[in-house]
Amino acid sequence: DVKVTQSSRYLVKRTGEKVFLECVQDMDHENMFWYRQDPGLGLRLIYFSYDVKMKEKGDIPEGYSVSREKKERFSLILESASTNQTSMYLCASSGGSGGSQPQHFGDGTRLSIL
Amino acid sequence: GQNIDQPTEMTATEGAIVQINCTYQTSGFNGLFWYQQHAGEAPTFLSYNVLDGLEEKGRFSSFLSRSKGYSYLLLKELQMKDSASYLCAVRDHAGNMLTFGGGTRLMVKP
Repeated sequence: DVKVTQSSRYLVKRTGEKVFLECVQDMDHENMFWYRQDPGLGLRLIYFSYDVKMKEKGDIPEGYSVSREKKERFSLILESASTNQTSMYLCASSGGSGGSQPQHFGDGTRLSIL
Repeated sequence: GQNIDQPTEMTATEGAIVQINCTYQTSGFNGLFWYQQHAGEAPTFLSYNVLDGLEEKGRFSSFLSRSKGYSYLLLKELQMKDSASYLCAVRDHAGNMLTFGGGTRLMVKP
């Protein structure tokens, strides 16, 4: 089974802090994704990466950056956390390009910015 | 861009059949996925459609009509454990990115 592991289930940070969310997958997948999930808005894509050191902006990249130095690890960075970034953050990975391969999700990190 | 619509909430009775609809308007289309998400848990993959028609997988089936921009997820013999949110997601023409609908929260009652 595919395993996508996010470093924290719950995280509390303060406004203005730099926040790192880590995600690791064990299936040698090329593609990795970061979403945030908010009530009534569903999952929205922040960034994704299709290879090491490659990244593309999703629908809501403002206030975020990402890093993919190794194939198995994809980090989401909140440069200067703000209260409107309080949310559930979900990481996902998938193999190949197109086809029937689904994205596999981690358990999520519930981030609160005070 | 993509626009995906699903009902926000549905209620059904244990043992019954329920159909969750999803309509989409997209600039490109390369497949539609359904996910199940229990409260506080990760979404898990249920089904995939890329050609018109019905895909059956046990108690769950998913249907696609590309010309109508329409899909549905059919759940048969409902069980209490089927109470969850069901997410419809469309993959764009590039083949990697998914756009999700807001999800349908299904409550199964005894």
